[in-house]
Amino acid sequence: ETGVTQSPTHLIKTRGQQVTLRCSSQSGHNTVSWYQQALGQGPQFIFQYYREEENGRGNFPPRFSGLQFPNYSSELNVNALELDDSALYLCASSFRLGVNYGYTFGSGTRLTVV
Amino acid sequence: DQQVKQNSPSLSVQEGRISILNCDYTNSMFDYFLWYKKYPAEGPTFLISISSIKDKNEDGRFTVFLNKSAKHLSLHIVPSQPGDSAVYFCAASANNNNDMRFGAGTRLTVKP
Repeated sequence: ETGVTQSPTHLIKTRGQQVTLRCSSQSGHNTVSWYQQALGQGPQFIFQYYREEENGRGNFPPRFSGLQFPNYSSELNVNALELDDSALYLCASSFRLGVNYGYTFGSGTRLTVV
Repeated sequence: DQQVKQNSPSLSVQEGRISILNCDYTNSMFDYFLWYKKYPAEGPTFLISISSIKDKNEDGRFTVFLNKSAKHLSLHIVPSQPGDSAVYFCAASANNNNDMRFGAGTRLTVKP
């Protein structure tokens, strides 16, 4: 079975631009969560999608938005990029709701905003 | 707000000895705790977890201890191996909530 795949692996954007990050969940997983990991910090929860609906959101502004598709893959969109958005963005999938069932993380997308 | 804290950014141990990684939390609503391991250029991988109804969970060389009164948990790795060298994250959630809170991580180096 394939794991969680994220694309692109690295990205450089200019402040004010928009970016879309992509995630293919592990086979059989219907739940996708997105995390932001700034340098020297642990991952921070952005939001989760379950069966194409947003199912919980962390403390991130509305310019962070997402989508989940019928095949359970997902996108993270960030508008009006700010320098502080520079971070590693991690996608995690699971086969059920709830952290207790274990998350499988992708390798992440390293976003640099200049 | 840092609800999960890992106060040691790094830890170095000799191969074969015990590694003890510590984690403190402030939110008394947390009832499920997890440890993740992260190698460079890879995503975190789940290692071991513990529910608040237990005070110990063991899986091979890895044991997690939970002290609810102190709001403290620790991960013991015995014996430590060079392949265990990685960044270890402690995470916690409340009511099986999807908002899993992570600590900043501890970089473990196991020397041959």
